[in-house]
Amino acid sequence: AQTVTQSQPEMSVQEAETVTLSCTYDTSESDYYLFWYKQPPSRQMILVIRQEAYKQQNATENRFSVNFQKAAKSFSLKISDSQLGDAAMYFCAYRSARGAQKLVFGQGTRLTINP
Amino acid sequence: KAGVTQTPRYLIKTRGQQVTLSCSPISGHRSVSWYQQTPGQGLQFLFEYFSETQRNKGNFPGRFSGRQFSNSRSEMNVSTLELGDSALYLCASRTGTEAIGELFFGEGSRLTVL
Repeated sequence: AQTVTQSQPEMSVQEAETVTLSCTYDTSESDYYLFWYKQPPSRQMILVIRQEAYKQQNATENRFSVNFQKAAKSFSLKISDSQLGDAAMYFCAYRSARGAQKLVFGQGTRLTINP
Repeated sequence: KAGVTQTPRYLIKTRGQQVTLSCSPISGHRSVSWYQQTPGQGLQFLFEYFSETQRNKGNFPGRFSGRQFSNSRSEMNVSTLELGDSALYLCASRTGTEAIGELFFGEGSRLTVL
């Protein structure tokens, strides 16, 4: 079974600074997808960024980028120029490219932005 | 376009009762998934429905069940409630046809079991 581990329960960063959230996963599959989701205090989960395992190029979405290291099974999220609206729980998630279309989530990292 | 709508948003039940939660997906989405979120266990997959058929099921007891209607709306039911069923239940929808279709989540139904 696949597992996702987020080793940082809480992180904080000064506004306008850069922060990196860590995520590691365990799988025996070679074809899969990885995601970062954001859950603000209002609780609605929002997709931040996604990465297909077969793509070597790291995904980027505006201020958000990932460092995908397939061999190390690592998938970190970098948030540049942090804004107050970035404050939320961030979840790393794994989904197999075959079989069950379910997300396996990490335990989450609570990100605080200090003004 | 309206997002994923879950009702009720909050509810309180007592042990032994049953509960039904509803989810209306985004228009055009045929796949609906359910997740349970608790502080201890985190986010766990319950099941996924596509075109009224259950496609996948997570590792939950038979007290947890669901269904999907022809209009793609979905319900999940928990019978014989236990204290440990207190959680935020999240519904998510996607078109269901793409390989990596984005999941859109609702705001959840917060269930408290006393």
